[in-house]
Amino acid sequence: DVKVTQSSRYLVKRTGEKVFLECVQDMDHENMFWYRQDPGLGLRLIYFSYDVKMKEKGDIPEGYSVSREKKERFSLILESASTNQTSMYLCASSLRRLAGTDTQYFGPGTRLTVL
Amino acid sequence: AQKVTQAQTEISVVEKEDVTLDCVYETRDTTYYLFWYKQPPSGELVFLIRRNSFDEQNEISGRYSWNFQKSTSSFNFTITASQVVDSAVYFCALSEVLTGGSYIPTFGRGTSLIVHP
Repeated sequence: DVKVTQSSRYLVKRTGEKVFLECVQDMDHENMFWYRQDPGLGLRLIYFSYDVKMKEKGDIPEGYSVSREKKERFSLILESASTNQTSMYLCASSLRRLAGTDTQYFGPGTRLTVL
Repeated sequence: AQKVTQAQTEISVVEKEDVTLDCVYETRDTTYYLFWYKQPPSGELVFLIRRNSFDEQNEISGRYSWNFQKSTSSFNFTITASQVVDSAVYFCALSEVLTGGSYIPTFGRGTSLIVHP
């Protein structure tokens, strides 16, 4: 079974803090994604990566950056957390380069609260 | 405009009722992929089905069935004889090719299904 793990289920941070959300997949998938999920808005893509050190902006990249130094790990960084970044963050991975043709496997999510 | 519209925000049914979750999509591509995912209360999205644009055959998997109609750009999901365990948020997603050849899924806003005992 594919396993996608996220470093924390719940996280509370203060405004202005730098926040790291970590995601690890164990199936050698090429593609990894970060989404945020908000009530009534569904899943919105923040960034994705189709290879080590490669990244592409999604629909809402502002205020976020990402890092993929190893194939299995994809980090989401909030350089200076703000209250409007309070949300559920979901990481996903998929096998091949043409990402959309493949099933995405999701992690359990990190519920981030910024005070 | 949304590329994937799930007009039903929340549906409430009683166990054993049939329920259909609607999904309407918008694309100019001739090759695209459609997905349904389930998000139970635990939070982790689970894949249910993938369909490519060239395969309009309906699919049945146990109590689940999917009706793909290109003529109406719809990919609806029906649960027959619903059970309490079907209570979840269901997402429809569309993958179409972007500039540069990447397919990136776009998700609808989800439909929350509540099945009462």
